[in-house]
Amino acid sequence: KQEVTQIPAALSVPEGENLVLNCSFTDSAIYNLQWFRQDPGKGLTSLLLIQSSQREQTSGRLNASLDKSSGRSTLYIAASQPGDSATYLCAAPEAGGGNKLTFGTGTQLKVEL
Amino acid sequence: DGGITQSPKYLFRKEGQNVTLSCEQNLNHDAMYWYRQDPGQGLRLIYYSQIVNDFQKGDIAEGYSVSREKKESFPLTVTSAQKNPTAFYLCASSMIPGQATGANVLTFGAGSRLTVL
Repeated sequence: KQEVTQIPAALSVPEGENLVLNCSFTDSAIYNLQWFRQDPGKGLTSLLLIQSSQREQTSGRLNASLDKSSGRSTLYIAASQPGDSATYLCAAPEAGGGNKLTFGTGTQLKVEL
Repeated sequence: DGGITQSPKYLFRKEGQNVTLSCEQNLNHDAMYWYRQDPGQGLRLIYYSQIVNDFQKGDIAEGYSVSREKKESFPLTVTSAQKNPTAFYLCASSMIPGQATGANVLTFGAGSRLTVL
């Protein structure tokens, strides 16, 4: 059964810093991995989906990488802003395909002025 | 605008009552999902459906029921058998993996917060 772990659980940084959020998964036979953002009391917003054939995916100041062999993914946020404050979750599919996702518990990010 | 609508946003239930959470999507997605979110825990899958009139149990289906009579709608009933129903419930939808590039991307609704009094 797929297990997803995110470190750190919480992170506080000053505005302008570059930062890295980590995600690890136990079953490396995945065909993609997704990163989501969740604002307090809201639903999840998809940020990036990395296919297993890709090593990186970029959207604006966000860059996500995937290393299946080590069971790791990272989300890099460049030049952080207060508006980036949210919880970031990664999700990996269950072995065998399909779209049943296992979510990590998230990293709660606070970017301070 | 295309998206997923969940209602109600807040719901209070007395012990022993069944309640139904609504989820409607106009994205023409075949697959729909219900997740439960508790503080400090990741999202856990309750039920999912890939086609009308068919659905499968997720990891924590006990005490819940669903129906999929229309492609657009996937209501969740929290029954009195659910021992600890207070949680944030999230509905999502996607295309079927393989239908198109990016089919795996899940779109989420805004969530429904259920509190048992």
